[in-house]
Amino acid sequence: AQSVAQPEDQVNVAEGNPLTVKCTYSVSGNPYLFWYVQYPNRGLQFLLKYITGDNLVKGSYGFEAEFNKSQTSFHLKKPSALVSDSALYFCAVRDTNAGKSTFGDGTTLTVKP
Amino acid sequence: KAGVTQTPRYLIKTRGQQVTLSCSPISGHRSVSWYQQTPGQGLQFLFEYFSETQRNKGNFPGRFSGRQFSNSRSEMNVSTLELGDSALYLCASSDPRNTGELFFGEGSRLTVL
Repeated sequence: AQSVAQPEDQVNVAEGNPLTVKCTYSVSGNPYLFWYVQYPNRGLQFLLKYITGDNLVKGSYGFEAEFNKSQTSFHLKKPSALVSDSALYFCAVRDTNAGKSTFGDGTTLTVKP
Repeated sequence: KAGVTQTPRYLIKTRGQQVTLSCSPISGHRSVSWYQQTPGQGLQFLFEYFSETQRNKGNFPGRFSGRQFSNSRSEMNVSTLELGDSALYLCASSDPRNTGELFFGEGSRLTVL
């Protein structure tokens, strides 16, 4: 079985500061890892993914994520947060042998001016 | 390319009724997944269809069912509605030839009274 943990329900940062949203995963095979963002009353939007290769992946809106196999983590990062980054963020894992994606419980990011 | 379209966006039903939700995937995407999102339970996987066949199923009672048509459009049905079925139902499509990132619709918000 595959699972995802997002240990923080809420992350608060000041605008201009770096942000990190944490994610750890468990999967039996090789993982495909994803981050999605959800704005109020909207569906989820794909941000970035790790499939293979470079452990640091870059995505939309200046976000990046670092894959760490030994720690089974895939933390989302951004060097300088914007107020408009405030949203609900979901980490997801997909086993390459399975068809479904499993999501974490989500982390609410609040960026204050 | 048009995105994933879900209808209706909002609906109100009473206990015991049934509801059918519709999802039109991105053109060329043959995989459609359904998720239930609630404040308390997060994103829960319902089922996934590929080429008109259910490929994966989550842990939901038999009141929840779905199907996929030859044009990849999908419907999900919930019978004998309960108050706890109130949720945002999200449909996502993906292209299995790629690495499985999901493209979500805006969701159908169901309220059961």
